Amino acid sequence: QKEVEQDPGPLSVPEGAIVSLNCTYSNSAFQYFMWYRQYSRKGPELLMYTYSSGNKEDGRFTAQVDKSSKYISLFIRDSQPSDSATYLCAMSAGSYQLIWGAGTKLIIKP
Amino acid sequence: GAVVSQHPSWVICKSGTSVKIECRSLDFQATTMFWYRQFPKQSLMLMATSNEGSKATYEQGVEKDKFLINHASLTLSTLTVTSAHPEDSSFYICSARDEVAGRHEETQYFGPGTRLLVL
Repeated sequence: QKEVEQDPGPLSVPEGAIVSLNCTYSNSAFQYFMWYRQYSRKGPELLMYTYSSGNKEDGRFTAQVDKSSKYISLFIRDSQPSDSATYLCAMSAGSYQLIWGAGTKLIIKP
Repeated sequence: GAVVSQHPSWVICKSGTSVKIECRSLDFQATTMFWYRQFPKQSLMLMATSNEGSKATYEQGVEKDKFLINHASLTLSTLTVTSAHPEDSSFYICSARDEVAGRHEETQYFGPGTRLLVL
């Protein structure tokens, strides 16, 4: 079993829909949780960073961490075609090494 | 802030040659930089952790003599793929930790990547 599980998709939704992306993990020592967006042939771009449990909102993006369930989510409201990309979750126990999910390919249809 | 650049963005070389990729943190100092490799439709694979002024730490299965890493300053790390072969063709991405900022201690900022094709 991988330390971090993420459905690779693709996930296809119509423009304007609310998107929910998720990762589960097995290591209870993880304290730092991140979501990155990666466009094709580009490096990942940090979207959201959360320490420990709770919610964090930034514009159309909301990140949630539920440590009791070992489950993290990224919500995108009012999705746009420009949001089409691969979304990677990453987490760390504080050792500076990130453990990555496989990435979910998201397609927003106009 | 927190911009990381990579050069070159793409390179094509003949089998047997060596290729050097540069990673620079443009507006912050990075004691630690990371080198990743990514195959099509796959996630990032950490190759090594580059520490300024000391030897790099390589992940299991990554050949130290094949992938030479030099982190000579707080803003520059280089990855040299020695005697490249077609199986080394991949997308190489570096990242750096913005340690001065403090707030995002565990976050990494990524370069745009370098696409290597070995013929």
